[in-house]
Amino acid sequence: AQSVTQLGSHVSVSEGALVLLRCNYSSSVPPYLFWYVQYPNQGLQLLLKYTSAATLVKGINGFEAEFKKSETSFHLTKPSAHMSDAAEYFCAVSGAGTASKLTFGTGTRLQVTL
Amino acid sequence: GAVVSQHPSRVICKSGTSVKIECRSLDFQATTMFWYRQFPKQSLMLMATSNEGSKATYEQGVEKDKFLINHASLTLSTLTVTSAHPEDSSFYICSARDSGTTSNQPQHFGDGTRLSIL
Repeated sequence: AQSVTQLGSHVSVSEGALVLLRCNYSSSVPPYLFWYVQYPNQGLQLLLKYTSAATLVKGINGFEAEFKKSETSFHLTKPSAHMSDAAEYFCAVSGAGTASKLTFGTGTRLQVTL
Repeated sequence: GAVVSQHPSRVICKSGTSVKIECRSLDFQATTMFWYRQFPKQSLMLMATSNEGSKATYEQGVEKDKFLINHASLTLSTLTVTSAHPEDSSFYICSARDSGTTSNQPQHFGDGTRLSIL
């Protein structure tokens, strides 16, 4: 069984400030972990993924995440927030195999203020 | 990059109507596609896994006779909401994973279909 917990349904940061979105996972098998972003009335866009290679993963738009097995965490960070980063962010976990299901967290809405 | 096209993007129709939503992988083949439902300000809930050439696998609590899934080719899956009612109004999103790649490749998502039943 797999599950994902995203702490904080809503995060607000000032433009230029550090972005930190938290994700903890539970998995009975070595996990594949993903962060997706969703803009209003759109589908999901992949930000980055962890698939058992490097533990520090760099993604698009300046985002990165670090896989910490000891903490079962995969937190998403960005050094400096932009207004365009305002969106809904989902952490997800899956197992191996092309038919593996994705299990999503409840999402975190990021607000960026001037 | 891998593109998934979902059509239509928005549907408004009367109660009792059946609505078909298409999900196409444009530049890759997908033996497996996934259908999700998303309520406002909530996460995505997996409804079913669509398997090319065979029956879909439905998640617990999802009515298979209500949500008909057909995956007739390696690039197309359809979801038909039969006799739709207002409670079926939601945002439906499909995804697909490239069958020709290694198993650690991510799912690629369509832009979703907003279904509104009057």
